[in-house]
Amino acid sequence: QSVLTQPPSVSGAPGQRVTISCTGSSSNIGAGYDVHWYQQLPGTAPKLLIYGNSNRPSGVPDRFSGSKSGTSASLAITGLQAEDEADYYCQSYDNSLSGWVFGGGTKLTVL
Amino acid sequence: EVQLVESGGGLVQPGGSLRLSCAASGLTFSSYWMTWVRQAPGKGLEWVANIKQDGSEKYYVDSVKGRFAISRDNAKNSLYLQMNSLTAEDTAVYYCAREGPSTALDYWGQGTLVTVSS
Repeated sequence: QSVLTQPPSVSGAPGQRVTISCTGSSSNIGAGYDVHWYQQLPGTAPKLLIYGNSNRPSGVPDRFSGSKSGTSASLAITGLQAEDEADYYCQSYDNSLSGWVFGGGTKLTVL
Repeated sequence: EVQLVESGGGLVQPGGSLRLSCAASGLTFSSYWMTWVRQAPGKGLEWVANIKQDGSEKYYVDSVKGRFAISRDNAKNSLYLQMNSLTAEDTAVYYCAREGPSTALDYWGQGTLVTVSS
């Protein structure tokens, strides 16, 4: 199992809002390390979605937002669209492992 | 436009070796930490290794320490991953990526598939 815990799947209807959680511990998110989020469309390389907990790279729609509190982080997607159907991963640094760690990934299904 | 292009993947027998390459363009390669991330078939992402701009610092996930070696040639804008003593558990698509803002991986290659099988 991954050091960062994500729900295996979430779903929502077009136009709805969904959130994806990323739960860590005192050696990663809780230690103050930044959380990043990636979107991976089927058959493609991951794409940076959110960096530094809540910042969007240029070109990422403001429908995507990130937040962090304590030992957890969340990705929120509003106004769901069919094209958002993908796998989403969180990432942070873990000082007990002395390396970067990813969450197990969450598959978003747009109903 | 930043481009990262991996190569060198393929089929290798257990215990064998492989060297992956990542050719970078559209960026000042020598200014960035670079990273290898892998993804086993149907599985999630796993950070493998990263290397500082001048190659003076290198870090690895425990499962590859002593078997894999990350390196770079800034004159050739290239990143490498030497993989030795390969096992079936190393079967994955290997991506190279640039560490950008807040150390997030802001550019990724398309990946190269490594299959370890007899």
